Amino acid sequence: DTGVSQDPRHKITKRGQNVTFRCDPISEHNRLYWYRQTLGQGPEFLTYFQNEAQLEKSRLLSDRFSAERPKGSFSTLEIQRTEQGDSAMYLCASSIRDRVYNEQFFGPGTRLTVL
Amino acid sequence: DQQVKQNSPSLSVQEGRISILNCDYTNSMFDYFLWYKKYPAEGPTFLISISSIKDKNEDGRFTVFLNKSAKHLSLHIVPSQPGDSAVYFCAASATSGSRLTFGEGTQLTVNP
Repeated sequence: DTGVSQDPRHKITKRGQNVTFRCDPISEHNRLYWYRQTLGQGPEFLTYFQNEAQLEKSRLLSDRFSAERPKGSFSTLEIQRTEQGDSAMYLCASSIRDRVYNEQFFGPGTRLTVL
Repeated sequence: DQQVKQNSPSLSVQEGRISILNCDYTNSMFDYFLWYKKYPAEGPTFLISISSIKDKNEDGRFTVFLNKSAKHLSLHIVPSQPGDSAVYFCAASATSGSRLTFGEGTQLTVNP
């Protein structure tokens, strides 16, 4: 039974470059979520999918951010024209719809550093 | 606006004693509450949850209490073990499956 996986685990990029992260959820989970966490704070919601449909996006998600889940399995999060303020841990989580307590299971995260 | 707040950034307890972590929320639409534990360089790990129709839920050494009128919940760990040392996050959602709103976290240190 594999958990949520994320790739890469670490990414260092220069300001202005584009980056893409991948998330593979737990296989039977139909909901997939992206969060961002900065030092000393709890995770902040970015967006989530049910199957391939993107159901909600946070107003924190600027137009430089885009997420896809084309076949309802893995998801990608792309950040265009990165800025130093994008430096954070990007967390992916998955869950099963109709799970009573909405337990979301998190991956290890991708740590982004923008120089 | 911080809808979920953990007012204690850190807590230190002795091994074998009780650890009590607290969380307050302001959004009366929240119906589901969860606690996560996080070690450095790892993602949060789900611990225990509670629905607003209950006021207590137990799982082994972990018990979560919910006081809806006070908009307050707490996590009790008994007995505390050194391996429990981690950052604990409280989270809430309005409906099952929707976004989680997290508190800032409390660093728990259990001393041998």
